[in-house]
Amino acid sequence: DQQVKQNSPSLSVQEGRISILNCDYTNSMFDYFLWYKKYPAEGPTFLISISSIKDKNEDGRFTVFLNKSAKHLSLHIVPSQPGDSAVYFCAASVRGNKLVFGAGTILRVKS
Amino acid sequence: GAGVSQSPSNKVTEKGKDVELRCDPISGHTALYWYRQRLGQGLEFLIYFQGNSAPDKSGLPSDRFSAERTGESVSTLTIQRTQQEDSAVYLCASSRERGADTQYFGPGTRLTVL
Repeated sequence: DQQVKQNSPSLSVQEGRISILNCDYTNSMFDYFLWYKKYPAEGPTFLISISSIKDKNEDGRFTVFLNKSAKHLSLHIVPSQPGDSAVYFCAASVRGNKLVFGAGTILRVKS
Repeated sequence: GAGVSQSPSNKVTEKGKDVELRCDPISGHTALYWYRQRLGQGLEFLIYFQGNSAPDKSGLPSDRFSAERTGESVSTLTIQRTQQEDSAVYLCASSRERGADTQYFGPGTRLTVL
């Protein structure tokens, strides 16, 4: 049972444009959501998070939006840069418990 | 300070052999997690340690898999009688405490079972 789904395995975006990565979840008990970025041969690194009491969290070029009624969250990267090319994982948890990860989306930013 | 470290970085073994993977968490982190990432797939939770509490082993795929952690230090993940489907990158992560959901990952151990 995949509780966290990233339905787009890959995304290609032109440098300077917006990248939008999407994530859907099924467990309504999830109350904390995170995005991780992973480069080849490295472990995932934390990018940004959002609590279920919010619907938006922004950190520089990165913004995460949460739509609880749709059980959907998205990560916006503006403007996209070539160095943003990586695998992006969405993750969710019931606070204080293990994270459940999506399968990841490969982002390619073309210069 | 130092991040999460894992060893070895790569391990090639023959089917049926036992392997042991090591994780050194960030000093002071009480929570430690093991995940597995098979080729083309997402991160699959294996086991979670929190302080002296009983570990959450709900993600271990079979009884060939086991893990130990002494206190709040090093953890080892052992796979007995390895199978080809065990081939994956095994990732360890740690976090400050239960409820601190930002996990910091090590670089992983790439296991190849021939």
